[in-house]
Amino acid sequence: EPEVTQTPSHQVTQMGQEVILRCVPISNHLYFYWYRQILGQKVEFLVSFYNNEISEKSEIFDDQFSVERPDGSNFTLKIRSTKLEDSAMYFCASSKKTETQYFGPGTRLLVL
Amino acid sequence: AQRVTQPEKLLSVFKGAPVELKCNYSYSGSPELFWYVQYSRQRLQLLLRHISRESIKGFTADLNKGETSFHLKKPFAQEEDSAMYYCAFRSYNTDKLIFGTGTRLQVFP
Repeated sequence: EPEVTQTPSHQVTQMGQEVILRCVPISNHLYFYWYRQILGQKVEFLVSFYNNEISEKSEIFDDQFSVERPDGSNFTLKIRSTKLEDSAMYFCASSKKTETQYFGPGTRLLVL
Repeated sequence: AQRVTQPEKLLSVFKGAPVELKCNYSYSGSPELFWYVQYSRQRLQLLLRHISRESIKGFTADLNKGETSFHLKKPFAQEEDSAMYYCAFRSYNTDKLIFGTGTRLQVFP
């Protein structure tokens, strides 16, 4: 059964550095999402992406964040200048239209 | 504001006991409700969604619009049901999922 994959599984970075989190959605899915979960808190929506543009974003998704589908298979989340409070588990998800969202295993980001 | 509430952080039962994980939502329109499960060190997986009305792994959930609830139930818990359970909600005009804080279910032998 096809699955969403994410790399890396863990990333440690210094505050102020740029990070790129990568996701490979399920191949016939057209809708892509990023969520994050700060330790001990709920899973929070960041952004949804369809047809090469952002379709919806939360207030968390400020100018420090960007998403891209660079090559037709990968879906990336970039954080330009990481802050301590960006430390979290980041989940990618994909779906066909308004159907089940399938989640990746997550990338644990630690900002020091 | 749209919100999902899971009042219990931890629910512990013995094998064979009935289980009910509570979920309430706040939304005035017609919601779409989901239960996701996360087993230890695994990804979030869809357990069930209210519109499909399926029973997965013995779990059922009924949407009660009057009480704005979508409680997850299983008549006889198994040890392998031990996991984190998240209730999630989606309104009709958006694709984003709003999650509750999750309930950890521990099933003791």
